[in-house]
Amino acid sequence: DVKVTQSSRYLVKRTGEKVFLECVQDMDHENMFWYRQDPGLGLRLIYFSYDVKMKEKGDIPEGYSVSREKKERFSLILESASTNQTSMYLCASSSISGRAADTQYFGPGTRLTVL
Amino acid sequence: SQQGEEDPQALSIQEGENATMNCSYKTSINNLQWYRQNSGRGLVHLILIRSNEREKHSGRLRVTLDTSKKSSSLLITASRAADTASYFCATDAGDDKIIFGKGTRLHILP
Repeated sequence: DVKVTQSSRYLVKRTGEKVFLECVQDMDHENMFWYRQDPGLGLRLIYFSYDVKMKEKGDIPEGYSVSREKKERFSLILESASTNQTSMYLCASSSISGRAADTQYFGPGTRLTVL
Repeated sequence: SQQGEEDPQALSIQEGENATMNCSYKTSINNLQWYRQNSGRGLVHLILIRSNEREKHSGRLRVTLDTSKKSSSLLITASRAADTASYFCATDAGDDKIIFGKGTRLHILP
């Protein structure tokens, strides 16, 4: 069975802290994605990666960075957390399809609160 | 970079009734997907329909695609309490990315 796991379901951090959100997939997928989901705004793409050590900015990369040292693991880093980064963070993975986007498999999400 | 938009934003129906949600999009697509999200959880893929397909079924789900109108619909027949969730359409955006709509919140009343 396909599985994407995220390191925490709930996380509370203080303003200015460095925050790491981890995502692991066991499907040998090339693509991995980080989204944030906010009420009224839907899902917005922060960063994605096509392969190890590769990363591409999504629609809202400001204030975030990512790391992909291994194929199965994609980390989202908040260098200095701010209250406006309080959100639900969702990780997803998919295989490379060539022309059209394939199905994305999601983790359970991490609800981050920044105080 | 919003592509798909679901309609209605929220829908409440009695258990056993059919639920229909619509999605409209702006530019041409290769495929369109529907996802479900239970409250506070991750998204689960329901169905993918390609641009050369007009209709697809999966259990109690029926998806249609009209590329001339740039619209899709998701029909859930004989709804159950467990169908209470948010439903999102997603269109491909090139480079293996997809763009999600803001979703329809479906509430099944007992």
